[in-house]
Amino acid sequence: GENVEQHPSTLSVQEGDSAVIKCTYSDSASNYFPWYKQELGKRPQLIIDIRSNVGEKKDQRIAVTLNKTAKHFSLHITETQPEDSAVYFCAASKSGGSNYKLTFGKGTLLTVNP
Amino acid sequence: KAGVTQTPRYLIKTRGQQVTLSCSPISGHRSVSWYQQTPGQGLQFLFEYFSETQRNKGNFPGRFSGRQFSNSRSEMNVSTLELGDSALYLCASHSRLDTGELFFGEGSRLTVL
Repeated sequence: GENVEQHPSTLSVQEGDSAVIKCTYSDSASNYFPWYKQELGKRPQLIIDIRSNVGEKKDQRIAVTLNKTAKHFSLHITETQPEDSAVYFCAASKSGGSNYKLTFGKGTLLTVNP
Repeated sequence: KAGVTQTPRYLIKTRGQQVTLSCSPISGHRSVSWYQQTPGQGLQFLFEYFSETQRNKGNFPGRFSGRQFSNSRSEMNVSTLELGDSALYLCASHSRLDTGELFFGEGSRLTVL
């Protein structure tokens, strides 16, 4: 089955700096790659996603890049703010068809220091 | 619209007991997935239900089971509880008609003593 590796497990940056979180996946048939943010004590929430027919997607300070050949994708957060502090999870799936299953990475604890 | 609702939010059980957790999806969502979240393993897929049918199952022992009702509400059951079953159990609903986003509930935090 699919396996998703996520690095680093913890990341500490100064406010205003950029943060990059990287993930690799094993199943070349995966075609949907979402990123979820989970603040302390709260539910995971989707912040951005990308499909395999796109190499990059941006949403304000957040961007995701995908390299299908190398089977890795990355989350980029620019101009980090204290409210960006949270655990970030990458995931991969083969969307469509009769089932729906996300395989998550183990998460990255991002701390943005004021 | 109302979000995903999970009950109970917290519960404490002892080894050997069983537990049933409930999830009400967003209105109109017919797909419900369950995930186990632990500090060391992150989010691990348990199973997915769509129209009362289990469509996909993760790598968990048979002690973990679930079902979905005609109104899309879902329950999961864990029998013969073990200490390692202590975790946050998250339910998520999905419309299957939109972008693929999972909408998570607040979770049920299970502690096994």
